[in-house]
Amino acid sequence: AQTVTQSQPEMSVQEAETVTLSCTYDTSESNYYLFWYKQPPSRQMILVIRQEAYKQQNATENRFSVNFQKAAKSFSLKISDSQLGDTAMYFCAFMSGGSQGNLIFGKGTKLSVKP
Amino acid sequence: DTAVSQTPKYLVTQMGNDKSIKCEQNLGHDTMYWYKQDSKKFLKIMFSYNNKELIINETVPNRFSPKSPDKAHLNLHINSLELGDSAVYFCASSPRGAGTGANVLTFGAGSRLTVL
Repeated sequence: AQTVTQSQPEMSVQEAETVTLSCTYDTSESNYYLFWYKQPPSRQMILVIRQEAYKQQNATENRFSVNFQKAAKSFSLKISDSQLGDTAMYFCAFMSGGSQGNLIFGKGTKLSVKP
Repeated sequence: DTAVSQTPKYLVTQMGNDKSIKCEQNLGHDTMYWYKQDSKKFLKIMFSYNNKELIINETVPNRFSPKSPDKAHLNLHINSLELGDSAVYFCASSPRGAGTGANVLTFGAGSRLTVL
């Protein structure tokens, strides 16, 4: 069974600084997808970034980028130029290529951006 | 226009009651889901439907019954509510088939259920 581990329950960062959230996963599959979702206090689940396992290039979305290390089964999220609006729970998630939408989530990292 | 909408957003009820949460998506997606987020914020899939057909049914008590009248709607009915059912329930949808968009889920805003 696949598992996703986020080892940092809470983190904080100063506004405008850079922070990296860790995520590791365990799978024996070769075709899969990895995601970071953000859940602000509003409770809405918002997709931050997505990575296909077959792509070697790390995904980037504006200030958000990932460090995907397939052999190490690591998928960390880097947030550059942190903003107050980045304060949220961040969930790392795994989806098998054939799972038809079964996202397996980590336990989340609560990120606080301080002014 | 909200892409995935759930009603109600908040629901407080007594143990033993029956309640429903409704979900509608206007994205034209074929697949819809229910996820549960417990008090520790842990998210787990409960069900998924593809064009009104049940695809995923995780280990969920049979007091929970999803119903999909059409591919744009997936409702969740819960019988004989228990204290442990208190959680946030998220509806989501995604396109069908292979391709870059096939497996990106769009979530609703969640429905917080409190059982007293």
